[in-house]
Amino acid sequence: GESVGLHLPTLSVQEGDNSIINCAYSNSASDYFIWYKQESGKGPQFIIDIRSNMDKRQGQRVTVLLNKTVKHLSLQIAATQPGDSAVYFCAEPATHQAGTALIFGKGTTLSVSS
Amino acid sequence: KAGVTQTPRYLIKTRGQQVTLSCSPISGHRSVSWYQQTPGQGLQFLFEYFSETQRNKGNFPGRFSGRQFSNSRSEMNVSTLELGDSALYLCASTGQNTIYFGEGSWLTVV
Repeated sequence: GESVGLHLPTLSVQEGDNSIINCAYSNSASDYFIWYKQESGKGPQFIIDIRSNMDKRQGQRVTVLLNKTVKHLSLQIAATQPGDSAVYFCAEPATHQAGTALIFGKGTTLSVSS
Repeated sequence: KAGVTQTPRYLIKTRGQQVTLSCSPISGHRSVSWYQQTPGQGLQFLFEYFSETQRNKGNFPGRFSGRQFSNSRSEMNVSTLELGDSALYLCASTGQNTIYFGEGSWLTVV
C-alpha cells in the first residue's frame, strides 16, 4: 500500500552543519513529492517540492534529491541554523483519488544546537 | 496576501458534544482540505472540497463531516466527540499546485 516514511525520528546537529533528512516511499507511481516544516504550535510550512522527472531541486539553503530507483528522497539543509529546528515531513499525493489529498510520513524532528 | 485562516485556535469540548471548525482559504484558492494530526497517527487526510463539492474523503467515520461555501470558506464538524478526537485539525488550501496549511485548531476532548 501507499506509505511515506522517514528513516529517523530525530536528528541533532550543530549550528552551521549540513543536515540531511531522509524519506522512503513505497508507491513507485508517485510523481510528486513535497517537504514541509512544522514548528512547534504551528501548521506545516511548504519548503520545497520535486517532480518525478527531476533528480534534484534546489531552493534557498535547501536541496531535495530524488532517487526513483530505490524510492528514496532526501532534504538537505545547508548551514543549519537554530531557526531550522522543527519537525520535517515528506508527503506525496494519494493515488487513486482525484484532488489533492496528501499522504504524510511520520516526521523527523531536527534539533539544532548552537 | 493573507494565509489560510482557521478559527478557533483552541477549544475544549466534552465527550458526546459536537464541534464546528472554520477555515478561510487563501484568496483565489478553490480547493480546501482538512487533516487531523495526532502524536500517534501523525497527519491524516480527512476530506477535500472543491467548488462546494466533496472531491476526496479519507478513512474517517461518518461523525466527521465538512462543507464548503460559495466563497470557498469551509467548515468541518465532528459529532458525538470521543476522547480520541483530541487533535490538531489543519486546513489547507491549494493554489498554483502548492498546498498551504493554516495554523490549525487545537481540539481537546475531556
